[in-house]
Amino acid sequence: DAGVIQSPRHEVTEMGQEVTLRCKPISGHNSLFWYRQTMMRGLELLIYFNNNVPIDDSGMPEDRFSAKMPNASFSTLKIQPSEPRDSAVYFCASIDTGGSGNTIYFGEGSWLTVV
Amino acid sequence: GDSVTQMEGPVTLSEEAFLTINCTYTATGYPSLFWYVQYPGEGLQLLLKATKADDKGSNKGFEATYRKETTSFHLEKGSVQVSDSAVYFCALRKNTGFQKLVFGTGTRLLVSP
Repeated sequence: DAGVIQSPRHEVTEMGQEVTLRCKPISGHNSLFWYRQTMMRGLELLIYFNNNVPIDDSGMPEDRFSAKMPNASFSTLKIQPSEPRDSAVYFCASIDTGGSGNTIYFGEGSWLTVV
Repeated sequence: GDSVTQMEGPVTLSEEAFLTINCTYTATGYPSLFWYVQYPGEGLQLLLKATKADDKGSNKGFEATYRKETTSFHLEKGSVQVSDSAVYFCALRKNTGFQKLVFGTGTRLLVSP
């Protein structure tokens, strides 16, 4: 299996620019998560989709952040406009909640730096 | 709410030393418990898991036992290697309802030759 695939792996952008992070979950997985990792706050859940529907977005920091899942094999996390404090590693993860296992698998992360 | 508490790091050991990283949890019901590892510059990888009380998860020489009576899931390894240097995250996940992972703050392990 290819695992959870994220792009870009690294992004450096200027403050005010739009940033779009992409995620392809593991085929057959029906739930997808976006997490953010920073030194100060550790791992935070931003949003959770089940069957392409956002279930809980209470972790999304503010209106500058938005996430979509137009189909079962693709999701985006967008930041517009970006700010230096958005610099972090953004992880996408997926799971098959109907399967016998209960393991959430993570992508390798998108390392974002906003200058 | 549900939470996971890990020991503060960094944990500094010499190669071949015995490792313990403590993890305790607070949760209603009986969650599944996980250890994830993050090597420098990389993402999170599942290291091991346990889904019910008294289960022992094991992988790559690491072990952890789900202790309901002490609400703990301590990570152990008998002989660490330099390549084990990483950040280790303990996490729980409910088996019903909203099934997000709740992470501890992570413990950095540094192993010297």
